[in-house]
Amino acid sequence: GDSVTQMEGPVTLSEEAFLTINCTYTATGYPSLFWYVQYPGEGLQLLLKATKADDKGSNKGFEATYRKETTSFHLEKGSVQVSDSAVYFCALSEGDKIIFGKGTRLHILP
Amino acid sequence: SAVISQKPSRDICQRGTSLTIQCQVDSQVTMMFWYRQQPGQSLTLIATANQGSEATYESGFVIDKFPISRPNLTFSTLTVSNMSPEDSSIYLCSVEVGGGESYNEQFFGPGTRLTVL
Repeated sequence: GDSVTQMEGPVTLSEEAFLTINCTYTATGYPSLFWYVQYPGEGLQLLLKATKADDKGSNKGFEATYRKETTSFHLEKGSVQVSDSAVYFCALSEGDKIIFGKGTRLHILP
Repeated sequence: SAVISQKPSRDICQRGTSLTIQCQVDSQVTMMFWYRQQPGQSLTLIATANQGSEATYESGFVIDKFPISRPNLTFSTLTVSNMSPEDSSIYLCSVEVGGGESYNEQFFGPGTRLTVL
């Protein structure tokens, strides 16, 4: 079945560093792809999305491009802030269902 | 968008007891879902809560263990029955809202953190 694999955490970076969190997927169809974020003590929030190949999702300085040829949807940010510390989940949609990766915990040091 | 609240936000329960979690949405939605997030793990879909009919359960989840109610388009409950320590997880409610494109966005509640002793 469909699945999502993302890099293991935790990832620890200094403020203003460049961030990449890798995500690859396996799907039989043409899923939509998502990044969700879970800040400490809060619920899951949609960070960005892409619905077809070569689409780029972006929000709050984060970007991810839907790469069908490499089945990837890597999350990037040019300059991270302490407030970006959270758990990030890569996900794909299969009809009404969402399949999540295991999550990557990100720590940003001041 | 949708604003979702869950009750309780957390609970500590004894083995063998049951806990009912409530999910309230601020607007009528067709699709509601229940997920489980075990410690250090990703989210796993338990079931789709269908209004007016029985919930649709995913592989590995059964109605006797996780009975679900969906009395209307804004409310659902999930019961975790005959609990054991392995049921200690965060349980999340989510709803699907039409995004006006080819996909429908899901919004998540804050979750209920359950610890079973």
